[in-house]
Amino acid sequence: DARVTQTPRHKVTEMGQEVTMRCQPILGHNTVFWYRQTMMQGLELLAYFRNRAPLDDSGMPKDRFSAEMPDATLATLKIQPSEPRDSAVYFCASGLSVGETQYFGPGTRLLVL
Amino acid sequence: GENVEQHPSTLSVQEGDSAVIKCTYSDSASNYFPWYKQELGKRPQLIIDIRSNVGEKKDQRIAVTLNKTAKHFSLHITETQPEDSAVYFCAASLGGADGLTFGKGTHLIIQP
Repeated sequence: DARVTQTPRHKVTEMGQEVTMRCQPILGHNTVFWYRQTMMQGLELLAYFRNRAPLDDSGMPKDRFSAEMPDATLATLKIQPSEPRDSAVYFCASGLSVGETQYFGPGTRLLVL
Repeated sequence: GENVEQHPSTLSVQEGDSAVIKCTYSDSASNYFPWYKQELGKRPQLIIDIRSNVGEKKDQRIAVTLNKTAKHFSLHITETQPEDSAVYFCAASLGGADGLTFGKGTHLIIQP
């Protein structure tokens, strides 16, 4: 069955390096979300898009994070420069409309040394 | 913004018994309440959801109840099995143009 895919699945990098995470939503889904999961904060909404337009990125540190949807089949989340506190699992989710069922990808496990 | 509180943080029950997880939310405009199950190292997976125009929904051994007046909703799992062991998250959404606000999660342990 159709699933959200994310790459890379694991990433280890050094502080100060740029990190790019990619997400392919389920074909036909028009809403894409980015969440971050840590032990301390749990699951937090970072940003989301509808029909490729950003709707809300208030959960994202603006100075170092950026999210885009170059086309309907690709969403990206970039961190530049990365810091150790960015270490977390980053999940992408997609759905047919905002506020309805969201399907999660397998996540990108990021470790910043 | 929305705030979701979830209790308990850990719940241990005997196999075959029932488990109940409770959540409260702060924004009375929230109208969509999903529950996700997450196994160690895996993605959150939707197990059941409820919308604000419904008070209760059931799917086999899983049920969710919603009390809009009190702003709380609960997950009920009956006849628990070892494969029910996982972390369960509740969430709330305003619908329209908003993402999910999650509770902190409940680690459910099924004792054999």
